[in-house]
Amino acid sequence: KAGVTQTPRYLIKTRGQQVTLSCSPISGHRSVSWYQQTPGQGLQFLFEYFSETQRNKGNFPGRFSGRQFSNSRSEMNVSTLELGDSALYLCASSLALANTGELFFGEGSRLTVL
Amino acid sequence: AQSVTQLGSHVSVSEGALVLLRCNYSSSVPPYLFWYVQYPNQGLQLLLKYTTGATLVKGINGFEAEFKKSETSFHLTKPSAHMSDAAEYFCAVRILEYGNKLVFGAGTILRVKS
Repeated sequence: KAGVTQTPRYLIKTRGQQVTLSCSPISGHRSVSWYQQTPGQGLQFLFEYFSETQRNKGNFPGRFSGRQFSNSRSEMNVSTLELGDSALYLCASSLALANTGELFFGEGSRLTVL
Repeated sequence: AQSVTQLGSHVSVSEGALVLLRCNYSSSVPPYLFWYVQYPNQGLQLLLKYTTGATLVKGINGFEAEFKKSETSFHLTKPSAHMSDAAEYFCAVRILEYGNKLVFGAGTILRVKS
């Protein structure tokens, strides 16, 4: 069974640009969550999608957005990039919302903003 | 509000020694508790979880944790450290009443000395 796949794994952007990251969850998983990981702030929750609807949202500015497609694949977008957006962005999938199950994480997309 | 505190950003033990990583949470309702491990340049992997039932939980790679409600703690232990245990460990809390978001502690980097 394939795990959570995130693309691209590494990317470099400049300030002001935008970026789109992709996440393919484990087959059968309908929930996708996104986290930002930085040395200073640790793991910060961005948002969670289930059945193409955003169900939870963290405390990030509107420049951070996401969506989920009918096949449960998800994308997140960051517009008008800032230096502070440099981070490892982790995607995680789970079977459903409001469950006691675990999150399965991808290896992340490492974004560097110059 | 929910929060997770991991005492000690870095812990160093000798190979074969006891591993103890501390985690305390604040919550007014019984939480679901998790420990995740992250190896360099990888995503997070679930070590173990507590939802209900037995308060001593056994996980992968010889790790275990005990939920102590009176102390609001969920410390992670392993009787004998191995070099391969060197990684970053994250405690996480998930509370259904608070949107079911998974909130992570700041992480503890475990170093194992030979």
